[in-house]
Amino acid sequence: QQQVKQSPQSLIVQKGGISIINCAYENTAFDYFPWYQQFPGKGPALLIAIRPDVSEKKEGRFTISFNKSAKQFSLHIMDSQPGDSATYFCAATYNDYKLSFGAGTTVTVRA
Amino acid sequence: EAGVAQSPRYKIIEKRQSVAFWCNPISGHATLYWYQQILGQGPKLLIQFQNNGVVDDSQLPKDRFSAERLKGVDSTLKIQPAKLEDSAVYLCASSSTAIWTQYFGPGTRLLVL
Repeated sequence: QQQVKQSPQSLIVQKGGISIINCAYENTAFDYFPWYQQFPGKGPALLIAIRPDVSEKKEGRFTISFNKSAKQFSLHIMDSQPGDSATYFCAATYNDYKLSFGAGTTVTVRA
Repeated sequence: EAGVAQSPRYKIIEKRQSVAFWCNPISGHATLYWYQQILGQGPKLLIQFQNNGVVDDSQLPKDRFSAERLKGVDSTLKIQPAKLEDSAVYLCASSSTAIWTQYFGPGTRLLVL
């Protein structure tokens, strides 16, 4: 499968702080770069996505930054809340919208 | 709109036994995917269906795994015989044709003892 590398594996942030998750890829044929949020016992849910011809996309407190030349993209969670505590996966689509996922980052927001 | 339904939610079996998982996608979604998510890892695609035809099963361990999607709606994933390393969450997802967004079900958590 096509690879997407994600870091860190886990992070802890105080309520109101900023969470930053980074991903890198090699395959230039990827066409969409979504982020998924997964709560325990649930399936992944689409959070936000970006196309490679856009450098930044913001939806509420969630922002994707995309650096095409470096083949890197990141998720910023602003004003982190306890309800944001979850596992976040970066992903990329290829060949008829198949998804290749990163390994995931567990975010814990301390009140 | 109802989401992707999966059953059972949990299954515990002995190694070498067989097991089957069921998925009902969102109504009208032509594309259906099965993923395997091992603890601490991201989901890994096993098989992709378009209507009732297989688009990609290159990551499916065909010696023990099989999947079908009769009539282009519901799908079943079977493991026979199960191995210890098959312990994972099996996720089903569906999407509408020509739209990349996949919607995931809650998954079936399998434990092989």
